[in-house]
Amino acid sequence: GAVVSQHPSWVICKSGTSVKIECRSLDFQATTMFWYRQFPKQSLMLMATSNEGSKATYEQGVEKDKFLINHASLTLSTLTVTSAHPEDSSFYICSAPGPFGAGELFFGEGSRLTVL
Amino acid sequence: KQEVTQIPAALSVPEGENLVLNCSFTDSAIYNLQWFRQDPGKGLTSLLLIQSSQREQTSGRLNASLDKSSGRSTLYIAASQPGDSATYLCAALDTGNQFYFGTGTSLTVIP
Repeated sequence: GAVVSQHPSWVICKSGTSVKIECRSLDFQATTMFWYRQFPKQSLMLMATSNEGSKATYEQGVEKDKFLINHASLTLSTLTVTSAHPEDSSFYICSAPGPFGAGELFFGEGSRLTVL
Repeated sequence: KQEVTQIPAALSVPEGENLVLNCSFTDSAIYNLQWFRQDPGKGLTSLLLIQSSQREQTSGRLNASLDKSSGRSTLYIAASQPGDSATYLCAALDTGNQFYFGTGTSLTVIP
């Protein structure tokens, strides 16, 4: 158990458009999900914490109007990159604490965004 | 603030060798420590989770240890295989429910 699925795996869009990435917990409920950004050969950078039923908590330096997060249900969080620009091109990953009470994190497969 | 460091950043070994990956953290007040594997262009796969009260965990050829007092965790991989080639990350969960990730060790196992 404890599977996190992310969609899409790859997305290419034109500059100025918006892109939505979904993160789902398939076999458990997640009141909290985390969104990360990862640059090539670097570790994960936490962008925001998504909370079901309330507003997301953004890390310092992350524009909340640029990266819209909606935790619509106990199994779904979405990240929308609004008015995307080439510098937003990156690898975005979500994670959720598993249901076993041990603080174990489970990750989605990641989404590669390329903005032309 | 917790800082997590992984040394070396990259490691290349011949197939069959046993190897150790290191993870250091500055604040010993952690809830648990988790090791992950990341393949290129993929998400992170959980390998082992060690609770703060535990000293080690084992899964197949992998063994992870935790020494909170010295702020260290190691991931031991026995009889390495080319399929073990990946980036390995450790993450510490502090008592405030914050996760802190290391910078990763890129492992290459040469056939």
